[in-house]
Amino acid sequence: GAGVSQSPRYKVAKRGQDVALRCDPISGHVSLFWYQQALGQGPEFLTYFQNEAQLDKSGLPSDRFFAERPEGSVSTLKIQRTQQEDSAVYLCASSLGGSDQPQHFGDGTRLSIL
Amino acid sequence: QKEVEQDPGPLSVPEGAIVSLNCTYSNSAFQYFMWYRQYSRKGPELLMYTYSSGNKEDGRFTAQVDKSSKYISLFIRDSQPSDSATYLCGPAGGLVFGAGTILRVKS
Repeated sequence: GAGVSQSPRYKVAKRGQDVALRCDPISGHVSLFWYQQALGQGPEFLTYFQNEAQLDKSGLPSDRFFAERPEGSVSTLKIQRTQQEDSAVYLCASSLGGSDQPQHFGDGTRLSIL
Repeated sequence: QKEVEQDPGPLSVPEGAIVSLNCTYSNSAFQYFMWYRQYSRKGPELLMYTYSSGNKEDGRFTAQVDKSSKYISLFIRDSQPSDSATYLCGPAGGLVFGAGTILRVKS
């Protein structure tokens, strides 16, 4: 596709459930990033892939958060045993080269934990 | 101190005004800087990608970097109601962003 695609756009889950968020980057983009954005805040870095290698996961808030990009294209962010503080917008971005290249964002998945 | 700081606003201006949006950063190693525009319920959209010091112009938008004072600016000329959004700044490679400045342009 022309841009970064994320699905679902909205997700409501009960506390304790597991959720999976999907990101389709721009075709040919090497790098993929996940961010968490709380209301009124800028995106907070979660993790970064270059092709299928996860180069940085220092932003993942706990071991309940897990991301993968097994074939170097589509990525999935999984959150296990969700908690209310996980409610946020999860943004995915991709770039043609490394992390110093311009990043192109999807419209995010808005996650609400009840 | 956060790595990137922005005044959250909101900044309200009349249509046609010149807008100045600003960021400060703490890490002098940053070389490239990005400005994004984010509309409500949408992802950030890349506006400007600029290197080091000096100015870069693109239509009504001008980005300015002052490395000596670790200060970056985005100027919007002839502002339009459609410019009403949140503006985010961040250093390329830093994987950090400011909290964003809310801009409202009134017609």
